[in-house]
Amino acid sequence: DAKTTQPTSMDCAEGRAANLPCNHSTISGNEYVYWYRQIHSQGPQYIIHGLKNNETNEMASLIITEDRKSSTLILPHATLRDTAVYYCIVRVIGQGAQKLVFGQGTRLTINP
Amino acid sequence: GAVVSQHPSWVICKSGTSVKIECRSLDFQATTMFWYRQFPKQSLMLMATSNEGSKATYEQGVEKDKFLINHASLTLSTLTVTSAHPEDSSFYICSARIQYNEQFFGPGTRLTVL
Repeated sequence: DAKTTQPTSMDCAEGRAANLPCNHSTISGNEYVYWYRQIHSQGPQYIIHGLKNNETNEMASLIITEDRKSSTLILPHATLRDTAVYYCIVRVIGQGAQKLVFGQGTRLTINP
Repeated sequence: GAVVSQHPSWVICKSGTSVKIECRSLDFQATTMFWYRQFPKQSLMLMATSNEGSKATYEQGVEKDKFLINHASLTLSTLTVTSAHPEDSSFYICSARIQYNEQFFGPGTRLTVL
């Protein structure tokens, strides 16, 4: 899997948008960008994924740059329950799908 | 849908004993299950991949004789930590995947070895 680089930690005020960056400069053409989060002492939770187009679901938006070398996860109105470690992972899916390999992630703290 | 459960959620055992952790896919059949380990303040580390009906594939550095994995059905995989020692104390997390689709994670099992 291509490596990703994320800031170690970030803070955000409750109610504001949280923007979490991820660099994946060596991403291959068939690799998707995935985001998971892990709330303390729980299993990881899938958030969103995309290939090259921006994606949005009920949890977040994913913005992928045109060259696909970086992306940003946006939590539009962060709440205290969004405090977690967020992992950005790039991987091939479909036939030949690769294992999910977790990096260190970004520890996001939402402050009241 | 796509719920994965683990049992027990936490366990305390004495050094030298064996502990079995179950991972179940509740509403789907998982062709592949994965086992991860997570030490405090660290990321998840993949231990092994198991496909139903075949032997598990272990990651480098993971002792297959110590961490026995059985994936006897499409909804159940078990991880047995044999002769557990304090250094095996960790948070063990399983995940399940349908064919080549998404992985869904269980809530984790916290093992403490005294």
